[in-house]
Amino acid sequence: AQSVTQLDSHVSVSEGTPVLLRCNYSSSYSPSLFWYVQHPNKGLQLLLKYTSAATLVKGINGFEAEFKKSETSFHLTKPSAHMSDAAEYFCVVRGFNDMRFGAGTRLTVKP
Amino acid sequence: DGGITQSPKYLFRKEGQNVTLSCEQNLNHDAMYWYRQDPGQGLRLIYYSQIVNDFQKGDIAEGYSVSREKKESFPLTVTSAQKNPTAFYLCASSKDKGPLSYGYTFGSGTRLTVV
Repeated sequence: AQSVTQLDSHVSVSEGTPVLLRCNYSSSYSPSLFWYVQHPNKGLQLLLKYTSAATLVKGINGFEAEFKKSETSFHLTKPSAHMSDAAEYFCVVRGFNDMRFGAGTRLTVKP
Repeated sequence: DGGITQSPKYLFRKEGQNVTLSCEQNLNHDAMYWYRQDPGQGLRLIYYSQIVNDFQKGDIAEGYSVSREKKESFPLTVTSAQKNPTAFYLCASSKDKGPLSYGYTFGSGTRLTVV
């Protein structure tokens, strides 16, 4: 069965410093992986997706993620955090009929 | 613009009442989904539908019911049998029927509170 584990429930960074949100996956076949962002009381917005093309995936708002099969990881990074990046982030793996969500990582950005 | 519309944004339910959450999409997507979100638990699948007049239970279907009479609409009813309905409910759609490569488009959610 497909699943993802987000290794940190909360990450706090200062504005202008790098962001790293960690995700490990488990999949019985070649996975499709996604990162979504959710601002308070809003729906989820797709940041980026990996579907077996390039292992380094670039998304919106300066985010990117690298697929590492040997480590079964799909970590999300951004070189420089902005205050507007404060939100909840979800790592997601494709199932056969639906998508499987991690528990989420809350990103706090300090001024 | 195409998208998914959920209504209402906030909903209050008294004990023993059934309530229906609306989800409408104009993306011409085949598949639609309902998720429940609780703090610290991510999103859990309630029901999904891949074609009109057909739907499947997800992981936490007990106390919920759905219908899919039109491609555009996938309403969720929270029945009195759902013992802990207070949560944030998200509707999503995808143009995939089977293995998903495109991901979901989400609505903006409905926050349901039992009073």
